[in-house]
Amino acid sequence: AQSVTQLGSHVSVSEGALVLLRCNYSSSVPPYLFWYVQYPNQGLQLLLKYTTGATLVKGINGFEAEFKKSETSFHLTKPSAHMSDAAEYFCAVSAPRGGYQKVTFGIGTKLQVIP
Amino acid sequence: KAGVTQTPRYLIKTRGQQVTLSCSPISGHRSVSWYQQTPGQGLQFLFEYFSETQRNKGNFPGRFSGRQFSNSRSEMNVSTLELGDSALYLCASSFGSAGELFFGEGSRLTVL
Repeated sequence: AQSVTQLGSHVSVSEGALVLLRCNYSSSVPPYLFWYVQYPNQGLQLLLKYTTGATLVKGINGFEAEFKKSETSFHLTKPSAHMSDAAEYFCAVSAPRGGYQKVTFGIGTKLQVIP
Repeated sequence: KAGVTQTPRYLIKTRGQQVTLSCSPISGHRSVSWYQQTPGQGLQFLFEYFSETQRNKGNFPGRFSGRQFSNSRSEMNVSTLELGDSALYLCASSFGSAGELFFGEGSRLTVL
């Protein structure tokens, strides 16, 4: 079985401050990990993904995440928040099951950016 | 390359009616998944289709059903609508083996 835990359903940061959104996962096999972003009244779009190789992954809009196997974490960071970063962020884990990849999403974290 | 297209984008129904939502995946993608999104429950997995076969199903009542056609387009149907079915229904397609999903903009269903 696999699962994803996102700590904090709502996070507020000041414009220009560090953004840190936490994600922990459990998986019985090496997983693929994803962060998606959802703007109001839109679908989800991929921010970044970890499959294999370098554990520090860079994504769009200045976001990055680091895969830490020992901590089973994949936290999302951005050095300086911008107003346009206000959105909901979803962490997801994908692992093989029965010959295909099963994807499990976290509950989501709403990011508020305060001017 | 066109993205995932969902129709209709918005619809209003009354309790007891049924609704059909459509999803056209990205060309070449053979897997289509459906999710229900509500403020309190987050993203709930409904089902996934691959090459016209349902290969994974979430924990929803039988009122929720789906199918996939030979061109990979998919439809989902909800019968005997209830107020609690009001939600954003998201469709996602995928191609590769990594599980990366490409989402449509969703169909927002309001049940009155």
